[in-house]
Amino acid sequence: DQQVKQNSPSLSVQEGRISILNCDYTNSMFDYFLWYKKYPAEGPTFLISISSIKDKNEDGRFTVFLNKSAKHLSLHIVPSQPGDSAVYFCAASARAAGNKLTFGGGTRVLVKP
Amino acid sequence: KAGVTQTPRYLIKTRGQQVTLSCSPISGHRSVSWYQQTPGQGLQFLFEYFSETQRNKGNFPGRFSGRQFSNSRSEMNVSTLELGDSALYLCASSHTGPNYEQYFGPGTRLTVT
Repeated sequence: DQQVKQNSPSLSVQEGRISILNCDYTNSMFDYFLWYKKYPAEGPTFLISISSIKDKNEDGRFTVFLNKSAKHLSLHIVPSQPGDSAVYFCAASARAAGNKLTFGGGTRVLVKP
Repeated sequence: KAGVTQTPRYLIKTRGQQVTLSCSPISGHRSVSWYQQTPGQGLQFLFEYFSETQRNKGNFPGRFSGRQFSNSRSEMNVSTLELGDSALYLCASSHTGPNYEQYFGPGTRLTVT
């Protein structure tokens, strides 16, 4: 039972353009959402998060949008840079479950120069 | 601040053996969580420790166990290793309470032969 899904396994984008990564969830108890970036043989690096009381959060080139009614979140990266090429994971947690993160399957992003 | 550190980084064990992995959290972080990453199952939550107590547990067999020390350092142990235990084991630390981002270490790559 996949509670967090990233339906696009890969994404290719031109340098300077926008990258849009999508994530869907099914558990209505989730109230905190995070995006991580991961390079091979390294641990995930935290990018940005959003609480369920908000619908948007920005940090530099990264913006996360949350649509609670659709149980959908997205990460926008503008402008995309070659160094952004990595696997991106969305994750969700529920207050009642403490710090347990449930991860999506990841989206591999390739930014072409 | 120093990041999350994990030792060893790589490990090769034989089926039936047991293994202990170590994690030192970011200074001031009292919550330590462990995750397993495999190509087939993705990133899965193992357990979380806070104040030397297991606060949360994922769906893994009892062969997987852990503990946390008074300085918040944590260890996880896997007994009677199986081939399917080959994975990247990741440790993450965070502040107390829910809705705080977790910061990951580089992981321990375990290979069971």
